[in-house]
Amino acid sequence: KNQVEQSPQSLIILEGKNCTLQCNYTVSPFSNLRWYKQDTGRGPVSLTIMTFSENTKSNGRYTATLDADTKQSSLHITASQLSDSASYICVVSARATNAGKSTFGDGTTLTVKP
Amino acid sequence: DAGVIQSPRHEVTEMGQEVTLRCKPISGHNSLFWYRQTMMRGLELLIYFNNNVPIDDSGMPEDRFSAKMPNASFSTLKIQPSEPRDSAVYFCASSFGTDLYGYTFGSGTRLTVV
Repeated sequence: KNQVEQSPQSLIILEGKNCTLQCNYTVSPFSNLRWYKQDTGRGPVSLTIMTFSENTKSNGRYTATLDADTKQSSLHITASQLSDSASYICVVSARATNAGKSTFGDGTTLTVKP
Repeated sequence: DAGVIQSPRHEVTEMGQEVTLRCKPISGHNSLFWYRQTMMRGLELLIYFNNNVPIDDSGMPEDRFSAKMPNASFSTLKIQPSEPRDSAVYFCASSFGTDLYGYTFGSGTRLTVV
């Protein structure tokens, strides 16, 4: 069964600090892994998309890594800001002939405090 | 582009009533997805369309749920009759081609069934 597990479930950090969120998956055959940021009351917004051949991708202060061998990904946030407070969701898709199902993690809730 | 547009933003209805949620995908996107998000179950895919054709509706919980996409610019998700356990945030997302390009989510419809 395809699964995506994220850790920690929640995290509180001080403004300006760095943090790393983890995502482990068992989706096979692997197609791509995406990180989304979801602000309270809003829809998820894509941060990064990585395929099998990519092991790192950055989007501003967000850097995602992918280890396809160990089936792990991380999202590193540098110099956190109050606006980074949100839920971060890891989504993994399996290769399919059509645009298909993705497996969503339960998310990590990040709170950045001043 | 205005993004994925969903309406209404909030809906409160009595148990047994029919509820219709609406979605306008991004122009040019040919895949449309309906998701449901709850605290207990996270984001769940209900159904997705490709070129207006339903491809996978295995996530639709019961026959009370139905979705249509009469044209490339409009989709509806209908619940009839609604029940309190249907209370959730319903998201519509669209993408171009496969999910390799990521989804663009709407702002969601918060449904409360009392």
